Amino acid sequence: EAGVVQSPRYKIIEKKQPVAFWCNPISGHNTLYWYRQNLGQGPELLIRYENEEAVDDSQLPKDRFSAERLKGVDSTLKIQPAELGDSAVYLCASSLVGDEQYFGPGTRLTVT
Amino acid sequence: AQRVTQPEKLLSVFKGAPVELKCNYSYSGSPELFWYVQYSRQRLQLLLRHISRESIKGFTADLNKGETSFHLKKPFAQEEDSAMYYCALERADKLIFGTGTRLQVFP
Repeated sequence: EAGVVQSPRYKIIEKKQPVAFWCNPISGHNTLYWYRQNLGQGPELLIRYENEEAVDDSQLPKDRFSAERLKGVDSTLKIQPAELGDSAVYLCASSLVGDEQYFGPGTRLTVT
Repeated sequence: AQRVTQPEKLLSVFKGAPVELKCNYSYSGSPELFWYVQYSRQRLQLLLRHISRESIKGFTADLNKGETSFHLKKPFAQEEDSAMYYCALERADKLIFGTGTRLQVFP
């Protein structure tokens, strides 16, 4: 079992450029989470999906961030345009409903 | 507001010494609390949850509602325990993490 897969692992972009992150959850997990982890902080939830429905996106900065989970499996998180303050590690996690969350390795984004 | 506080950024001990990683929370209700661990170059993973009341890798954590604490303890630290530890509170299927404590165990 590969676990939660994320790509890319690292991304460096200039400010105002767009960027996208991809996540493939553990097979059969219907709940998917995107977290952002700033340096020296714990992860903070951006959005949670139950199948293809976003059930909690209250912490997603909707002016520049968007996410989708087509067919209730893979998910993509996009930032457009990126700002310097978006530099962080973006974590994807998946779970069965109400069960343990399994985290991916994360994508480290650096905005210059 | 729900909040998790881990007052120590870094905790350094020698092998064989007791370890206590502190976690305090604020939550109006019955909390579900967790400890997550991230070893070097590995992904974040669940260490233990308070409802299971089990010991994992020698670690235990007791929920103290009076002191609103969920400290992580191990009587004898091992070098392989060196890692980043995060306390987390679950509310409405959402995890709220503390800022983490780095544990360094010296030989």
